[in-house]
Amino acid sequence: KAGVTQTPRYLIKTRGQQVTLSCSPISGHRSVSWYQQTPGQGLQFLFEYFSETQRNKGNFPGRFSGRQFSNSRSEMNVSTLELGDSALYLCASSWRGDVQETQYFGPGTRLLVL
Amino acid sequence: AQRVTQPEKLLSVFKGAPVELKCNYSYSGSPELFWYVQYSRQRLQLLLRHISRESIKGFTADLNKGETSFHLKKPFAQEEDSAMYYCALSGRRTGANNLFFGTGTRLTVIP
Repeated sequence: KAGVTQTPRYLIKTRGQQVTLSCSPISGHRSVSWYQQTPGQGLQFLFEYFSETQRNKGNFPGRFSGRQFSNSRSEMNVSTLELGDSALYLCASSWRGDVQETQYFGPGTRLLVL
Repeated sequence: AQRVTQPEKLLSVFKGAPVELKCNYSYSGSPELFWYVQYSRQRLQLLLRHISRESIKGFTADLNKGETSFHLKKPFAQEEDSAMYYCALSGRRTGANNLFFGTGTRLTVIP
């Protein structure tokens, strides 16, 4: 099976712009989670989608949003970018999103905000 | 609130020496605990989880509810164990697939 894929892998934006990142889960996986990784805050949960519905949300401002399509692919959007949004954004997929399941991570999208 | 603490940012051991990466957690409920590992230039991947009580690559971890710890251990470190290790927690109160990560420990095994 192909692993979790994320596009683009690298992105440079300027403050105030918006950005959309994409994640394709492992075939058959219906749960997709997003994480932000920064040197200062480490890995932080953004949100989780299951069957096109946001099921869980972390403690991030409303500028961070996402969605999931019927084929389980997911996108996350960050509007009005700030310098502090520079990070590695990881997505992870699992079959049903149960607490005991293994999450399979993608390679990440590295976002730099100038 | 849930919290995962990995007190050591960096840990260096000699090849063949025992390794213990510490993880303490705070969670009011029954947590699911995991160790994830990230090798150089590879993606984050699951190493082991407490519920399966398995040993992966010689690593084991025991959940100690009394001490709220989930330390990762290996009796004899190998050079290929050098990586970043993250302890993570999930639970019904945090929501399915809401992994809460510690800040990670970078393990270096000295040949």
